[in-house]
Amino acid sequence: QKEVEQDPGPLSVPEGAIVSLNCTYSNSAFQYFMWYRQYSRKGPELLMYTYSSGNKEDGRFTAQVDKSSKYISLFIRDSQPSDSATYLCAPSSGGSYIPTFGRGTSLIVHP
Amino acid sequence: GAVVSQHPSWVICKSGTSVKIECRSLDFQATTMFWYRQFPKQSLMLMATSNEGSKATYEQGVEKDKFLINHASLTLSTLTVTSAHPEDSSFYICSANRDNNYGYTFGSGTRLTVV
Repeated sequence: QKEVEQDPGPLSVPEGAIVSLNCTYSNSAFQYFMWYRQYSRKGPELLMYTYSSGNKEDGRFTAQVDKSSKYISLFIRDSQPSDSATYLCAPSSGGSYIPTFGRGTSLIVHP
Repeated sequence: GAVVSQHPSWVICKSGTSVKIECRSLDFQATTMFWYRQFPKQSLMLMATSNEGSKATYEQGVEKDKFLINHASLTLSTLTVTSAHPEDSSFYICSANRDNNYGYTFGSGTRLTVV
């Protein structure tokens, strides 16, 4: 079992839809939960960060962590074609904070 | 914000030759940088941790003699793929952490194709 699991997709939605991206993990030591967005042929960029369980909202994006079930979600409201990218779930433990990446979910938002 | 620059963005080389990839932190000093490899539709896999002024730490299964890492200054780390073979073709990405927290900044990546 991989430490971080994500459905690779692609997930195709119409513009304006609410998108739900999900991730599961197995390492109980993970305390910090990041979502990175990666456009094609580019490096990842940090999108959201959450510490421990709970929700965090930033504009159209909401990150949700349930440590009891080791389940992480990212919601995108009013999705735009510019949101089309691969979304990488990346939890980490304390100390070095080095992220462990899932394989990412490819999202396509069509006009 | 923290900026990490990577060069070149793409490179094609012949099998058996060596290729050097540079990673620079432009607006901060990085005592530690990280090198990842990403195959198509796969996750980023940490290859090694580059430490300024000392030897790099390699992840299990990564050949240190094949992937030479040099971190000679606080703003520059280089990855040299030696005696490259077609199976080394991949997307190589570096990252650094300015504030020693969760905020890792990534370079734009280098697409290596070995023919």
